[in-house]
Amino acid sequence: DVKVTQSSRYLVKRTGEKVFLECVQDMDHENMFWYRQDPGLGLRLIYFSYDVKMKEKGDIPEGYSVSREKKERFSLILESASTNQTSMYLCASSLLVLYGYTFGSGTRLTVV
Amino acid sequence: RKEVEQDPGPFNVPEGATVAFNCTYSNSASQSFFWYRQDCRKEPKLLMSVYSSGNEDGRFTAQLNRASQYISLLIRDSKLSDSATYLCVVNIHNQGGKLIFGQGTELSVKP
Repeated sequence: DVKVTQSSRYLVKRTGEKVFLECVQDMDHENMFWYRQDPGLGLRLIYFSYDVKMKEKGDIPEGYSVSREKKERFSLILESASTNQTSMYLCASSLLVLYGYTFGSGTRLTVV
Repeated sequence: RKEVEQDPGPFNVPEGATVAFNCTYSNSASQSFFWYRQDCRKEPKLLMSVYSSGNEDGRFTAQLNRASQYISLLIRDSKLSDSATYLCVVNIHNQGGKLIFGQGTELSVKP
């Protein structure tokens, strides 16, 4: 089974901090994605990547950046955390879209 | 209009009931379809893909109606362990590997 690992289950950060969320997958997938999930808003795509050093903006990229230096690792960066970035962050990877995604277990980030 | 729309529920049903979830999508270029299951405070997990001919996996049956842009999920003989949120998901042909998620339908199965 594909395993997608997110480095932290729970994080508490202060407003203005730079925050790194790490995601690693072990199945050589080219495609990786970052979503955030909020009550009433569902899953919203932040950024995605189809290859190393490649990134594309999703629907809500403002306030975020990403890094993909190695195929297995896709990092989400909150440049200056704000309280409205308090959310559940989900990383996913896929080989081909017709197989769907595999998600990591999520990071619940609270910005105070 | 949302690209993928679902009735949020909650659906409260007794054990053994049959329950059906519906989902509509707005983009006719949608080409891949899925149902995901998400337990409380957990990540979504793929339940099943949805094929044009319809498909079944045990107690679960998924149907696709391309003409009406409509997807359904039927759960027969529901179990307590089926309690979760069910997410309808589509991929749009000209948007590469991105999946678009509905907000989910909450199911609660009671003894």
